[in-house]
Amino acid sequence: SAVISQKPSRDICQRGTSLTIQCQVDSQVTMMFWYRQQPGQSLTLIATANQGSEATYESGFVIDKFPISRPNLTFSTLTVSNMSPEDSSIYLCSVVREVAEQFFGPGTRLTVL
Amino acid sequence: GENVEQHPSTLSVQEGDSAVIKCTYSDSASNYFPWYKQELGKRPQLIIDIRSNVGEKKDQRIAVTLNKTAKHFSLHITETQPEDSAVYFCAASIMDTGRRALTFGSGTRLQVQP
Repeated sequence: SAVISQKPSRDICQRGTSLTIQCQVDSQVTMMFWYRQQPGQSLTLIATANQGSEATYESGFVIDKFPISRPNLTFSTLTVSNMSPEDSSIYLCSVVREVAEQFFGPGTRLTVL
Repeated sequence: GENVEQHPSTLSVQEGDSAVIKCTYSDSASNYFPWYKQELGKRPQLIIDIRSNVGEKKDQRIAVTLNKTAKHFSLHITETQPEDSAVYFCAASIMDTGRRALTFGSGTRLQVQP
């Protein structure tokens, strides 16, 4: 597996503000993803974080709302912009090791008031 | 795109019994099928996976079967224990491409009664 850390682990934010979540991996990985898990729900892919180029977003997610950076092969950030209570979720980064095995970070629990 | 359906949404078994969770997928190109266990407040943990070139895989009390023709796969847990209680997610993806993101099922909450 991979050692994946996320910061912050949780935060409570006011509506209209933005929060940047960091994901750090202990070794270089080719593929990194960001998922959202709403309370009591499954995981939904937000985007693929591409190293050195713009992220690839899934339907329903846009760059202006969820800007993503990936400056190198061990680090990525996800920003949740102009937050509303509907953005309250757990945000998880994940990485692919070997051919297909995907491992998740511990998640960032976001509450928007 | 891929769609993964998972059943049942909740499952309650007695300790020592077996539990079976079933998933179907829609994209015939999918060839990698992992299962994750998520305990309350924790991250999803990969517990077993299967690739399309095999029909069954076992790891101690856990097994996964795959029927590519019918596009369904199942998780089998034998001799269940209270610590097996968690939410289980199936998922599907395509290996060896630039798109290896997972599409998840809706999850099954397994409760093992002591």
